[in-house]
Amino acid sequence: GAGVSQTPSNKVTEKGKYVELRCDPISGHTALYWYRQSLGQGPEFLIYFQGTGAADDSGLPNDRFFAVRPEGSVSTLKIQRTERGDSAVYLCASSARRGGEQYFGPGTRLTVT
Amino acid sequence: GDSVTQMEGPVTLSEEAFLTINCTYTATGYPSLFWYVQYPGEGLQLLLKATKADDKGSNKGFEATYRKETTSFHLEKGSVQVSDSAVYFCALSDQGGSEKLVFGKGMKLTVNP
Repeated sequence: GAGVSQTPSNKVTEKGKYVELRCDPISGHTALYWYRQSLGQGPEFLIYFQGTGAADDSGLPNDRFFAVRPEGSVSTLKIQRTERGDSAVYLCASSARRGGEQYFGPGTRLTVT
Repeated sequence: GDSVTQMEGPVTLSEEAFLTINCTYTATGYPSLFWYVQYPGEGLQLLLKATKADDKGSNKGFEATYRKETTSFHLEKGSVQVSDSAVYFCALSDQGGSEKLVFGKGMKLTVNP
């Protein structure tokens, strides 16, 4: 079956602009996670959804970052007033349940110029 | 908070060499432990896992044993192949509720024929 998909695969934006990154999880997976991977580092947790609600947003770095999952499936990560330090690969993972195996998407590479 | 420290590379080995990648962790409670692999041009994939002390995870000739007394989860393979060239990440699952993954920095392995 289809895995986790993320769009766009690459996004280049100017400093100060707004961006949206999309994640389509595996069908039926109720748990969805966003991570950020900077160059030379491991992925860092941003936010976790169980169904439609953000159950843990402790990893969001500041209030410029926001994510939604209105129907419990597709999720969108939104970044306002982008900064050069936001440049990274943003990864999405889904799981059939909390604590189950997480399946990762290919990531969106965000570059802020 | 929870953390993972893993051997950093890059490391270059010849085909059929023995591989060890060290990983130690700091955590409250009893996390599950994982090794993820990222092949060139692909997304993160689960390689193996262990959920409790003394468990051994194994897959594709790789093994790792959950050692609670030394808080370690070292990855080993007796004879590496060119196709094992990838970046390897050690990770634990946070027991605080979301079971988000906490990753090490990753180690890039290149295997030459």
